[in-house]
Amino acid sequence: GEQVEQRPPHLSVREGDSAIIICTYTDSATAYFSWYKQEAGAGLQLLMSVLSNVDRKEEQGLTVLLNKKDKQLSLNLTAAHPGDSAVYFCAVSGNNYAQGLTFGLGTRVSVFP
Amino acid sequence: EAAVTQSPRNKVTVTGGNVTLSCRQTNSHNYMYWYRQDTGHGLRLIHYSYGAGNLQIGDVPDGYKATRTTQEDFFLLLELASPSQTSLYFCASSGHRGDTQYFGPGTRLLVL
Repeated sequence: GEQVEQRPPHLSVREGDSAIIICTYTDSATAYFSWYKQEAGAGLQLLMSVLSNVDRKEEQGLTVLLNKKDKQLSLNLTAAHPGDSAVYFCAVSGNNYAQGLTFGLGTRVSVFP
Repeated sequence: EAAVTQSPRNKVTVTGGNVTLSCRQTNSHNYMYWYRQDTGHGLRLIHYSYGAGNLQIGDVPDGYKATRTTQEDFFLLLELASPSQTSLYFCASSGHRGDTQYFGPGTRLLVL
């Protein structure tokens, strides 16, 4: 079945700098790609999702890139601020909705002044 | 905004104890899920359901039962709790199996 490797597990970023998280998936039929944010003491919240026909999506200081050739999904936090400190998870699924979401193990992002 | 609530938010029990975790969603979603989250393991799917009365086994079902009584309500049962079940439990719902999932705030369970 689908496997997802997420890296790095931890990331420290100075306020105003950018941070990049990368997920590598295994199934070329993967069709749905998403990023979730988990703040301390809370559940996961959807940040952004893209389908396989989208290579790039930008929204509110976040950029999602999809490289289908290398089976990589990335999340770029541009101009990080303290509110970005959280754990981020990628999640992917196939195109027939028969399979559920496969989550990465998460990346803990810490933004310092 | 989709809404998923969980109760209790925190629970302490002893080994061998009986615990029920509750989840309610008001999204009119068909699918509901129970996950556990542990450091180093990410999110692991315990059970899920695609409607009232339905139950599907997830990836780590041992020691857990679940029941979906209505479209809104999904319960996770630990009938003989063990310390290895100390974890943070999340409930989620979605319209389709592979679609965006909406998560509850979590229940922290400690088994002594």
